[in-house]
Amino acid sequence: EVQLVESGGGLVKPGGSLRLSCAASGLTFSNAWMTWVRQAPGKGLEWVGHIKIKADGGTTDYAAPVKGRFSISRDDSKNTLYLQMNSLKTEDTAVYYCSTLGYSSGWLYFDYWGRGTLVTVSS
Amino acid sequence: DIQLTQSPSFLSASVGDRVTITCRASQGISSYLAWYQKKPGKAPKLLIYAASTLQSGVPSRFSGSGSGTEFTLTISSLQPEDFASYYCQQLNSYPYTFGQGTKLEIK
Repeated sequence: EVQLVESGGGLVKPGGSLRLSCAASGLTFSNAWMTWVRQAPGKGLEWVGHIKIKADGGTTDYAAPVKGRFSISRDDSKNTLYLQMNSLKTEDTAVYYCSTLGYSSGWLYFDYWGRGTLVTVSS
Repeated sequence: DIQLTQSPSFLSASVGDRVTITCRASQGISSYLAWYQKKPGKAPKLLIYAASTLQSGVPSRFSGSGSGTEFTLTISSLQPEDFASYYCQQLNSYPYTFGQGTKLEIK
């Protein structure tokens, strides 16, 4: 069974930094494209960014609101995904989910999800 | 960026009802559309991908259709566990945008 468990959330002041982790099990992590998605209180889902597997270059892409402030990385030896968040703003307050980016016959989808970790940015 | 507009934003229905949610894309996305169910405090759940392919383990009362710019998610006979929020997502191009969501409530 695939399990994704996020951690590292908490309360941080505007301008501060936080690093989230996503521990994966039940899958070949090194073969999984991984993503981060967030949901602000009372709002919808928002794609944050993703990281490809090393065989595909290990490249990353980010949503415009977080580009230049957030950084996604992975440690395949630890089956762990990271989200480094710098220069945090109050509008970054959200539950952050990690998920796998699956594909089948060329079609993409976010198939496995963690239960999320809450990040609150407030003074 | 590709914008997705869901309608309605809120839907009130009863157990056993047939309901349909629409998702319109601001430009053509072929069939690169997925649907998710989201309950408070729970992880999102993939229901459908490629516009109409049912994810393994998802009940057959859920179905999806459409291509290009207009898509629908249909629940043929609502069950108590289906009352939740539903989101469409396009995976045609970055950023992988979501619709604003449809909250399905018990009438």
